[in-house]
Amino acid sequence: DARVTQTPRHKVTEMGQEVTMRCQPILGHNTVFWYRQTMMQGLELLAYFRNRAPLDDSGMPKDRFSAEMPDATLATLKIQPSEPRDSAVYFCASGLVVGEGGYTFGSGTRLTVV
Amino acid sequence: DAKTTQPPSMDCAEGRAANLPCNHSTISGNEYVYWYRQIHSQGPQYIIHGLKNNETNEMASLIITEDRKSSTLILPHATLRDTAVYYCIVRVGIGGSNYKLTFGKGTLLTVNP
Repeated sequence: DARVTQTPRHKVTEMGQEVTMRCQPILGHNTVFWYRQTMMQGLELLAYFRNRAPLDDSGMPKDRFSAEMPDATLATLKIQPSEPRDSAVYFCASGLVVGEGGYTFGSGTRLTVV
Repeated sequence: DAKTTQPPSMDCAEGRAANLPCNHSTISGNEYVYWYRQIHSQGPQYIIHGLKNNETNEMASLIITEDRKSSTLILPHATLRDTAVYYCIVRVGIGGSNYKLTFGKGTLLTVNP
C-alpha cells in the first residue's frame, strides 16, 4: 500500500532551537495537510496545501511556524524558535480532493521540547 | 462544515457487531459523512464515507438515515485490533472549496475479549 512518510519519527530538542519536520506525500496526491495532536486539544489543523500552494494556514502560529512545499514530493513544517508548548505529535496527510476519497495520514513526528 | 456529536466511549464484545452512532443534524445537502479511526500512537485511518446511500467496504458499513441527520458506522465482527478512537466528520465533497477535515473528540471504542 502507498503510504505517507514522515521524518523524523521522534525529536527531542531544547527550547529555542529550530525544528524541521518532513513529509513525503503519496505520489500523485495534490493536497497535503499538517495536523498537530495533544491530549488537551486533540487533532488540530495547522495548514494545508493544494498543488503545492498554501490554501489555509490559519491554524498555525505565524510568528514561529512555517509550512512549505518545495516540490510535489516534499512538505516541510518548521518551528523557530521552539517552545515547550509545541510538544505534540505532528501528522501529515495527503489526498486527492478531485474525488471524494479519504486522506492518508503518516505515522507522525513526536516532538518534545525541553 | 456541519458539527457532529458522538458518544465519548463505547464497549463491544469481541466477535460482535459494533455500532457507532453519530448525529449531524445541521448537515447540508452537499456534505458527505466521513469516518476515520485512530489506533493508539498511530495516525488517523480513513474507513468509509457516504452522501445519502448506505455504503459498505471491506472494513465497515455506513448507514445514513433518510433525513441525513444521523449515521451509524457498523463493524460487523469487531476484533481486539478495532479498539480505537472513531471520528465522524462531515465535509463538503466534490465541487466544494473547503477540503479540510475538522476532528472532534470522537468515540473511544473498546473491544473486550
